[in-house]
Amino acid sequence: GAVVSQHPSRVICKSGTSVKIECRSLDFQATTMFWYRQFPKKSLMLMATSNEGSKATYEQGVEKDKFLINHASLTLSTLTVTSAHPEDSSFYICSARARDSYYEQYFGPGTRLTVT
Amino acid sequence: ELKVEQNPLFLSMQEGKNYTIYCNYSTTSDRLYWYRQDPGKSLESLFVLLSNGAVKQEGRLMASLDTKARLSTLHITAAVHDLSATYFCAVADYGGSQGNLIFGKGTKLSVKP
Repeated sequence: GAVVSQHPSRVICKSGTSVKIECRSLDFQATTMFWYRQFPKKSLMLMATSNEGSKATYEQGVEKDKFLINHASLTLSTLTVTSAHPEDSSFYICSARARDSYYEQYFGPGTRLTVT
Repeated sequence: ELKVEQNPLFLSMQEGKNYTIYCNYSTTSDRLYWYRQDPGKSLESLFVLLSNGAVKQEGRLMASLDTKARLSTLHITAAVHDLSATYFCAVADYGGSQGNLIFGKGTKLSVKP
């Protein structure tokens, strides 16, 4: 149980375009989803937290107009990188927390974004 | 603000040897996680430590938690090449309104024959 999927696993896009990444909880309802960014050989940095049906809470320094997060249902959150630039290239990982598990997070497999 | 420090950041071991990775954190928490990450992959959950004195073991890995010292250790016994990976500890942030996890910088473990 507690499986989280991400789609796509890898994406290459041109500078200036937008990319959408999906995060789905497959066998549980995720009241909260977290989006992390990981640069090569670095740790995970929390970008934002989203609760189903409400606006995402962004961490300091993360541009909310650039990284659009939508958590429209209890099983799906999306991260859209708008007007992507090469510096946005990174590994994006989502995690999901179930309704009855306040601190347990289940991590997705990650999405490798490369902006050319 | 909760801060999490791991050391060492890099660890090169010979097969068969023992070693310990340390994870210190700065403010009160009683929930600590250890994860493994292979290159290009996401996180694999290893241990969840929920209370002071908790000890968990899985194969050649053993994790412990001392909430009074704000310290967790990940002990590796008789290392094998398959354990080569990056290991992260993460601490639940009680000060955060969303129950965030704060990650250490990771320890890159390389086990050589």
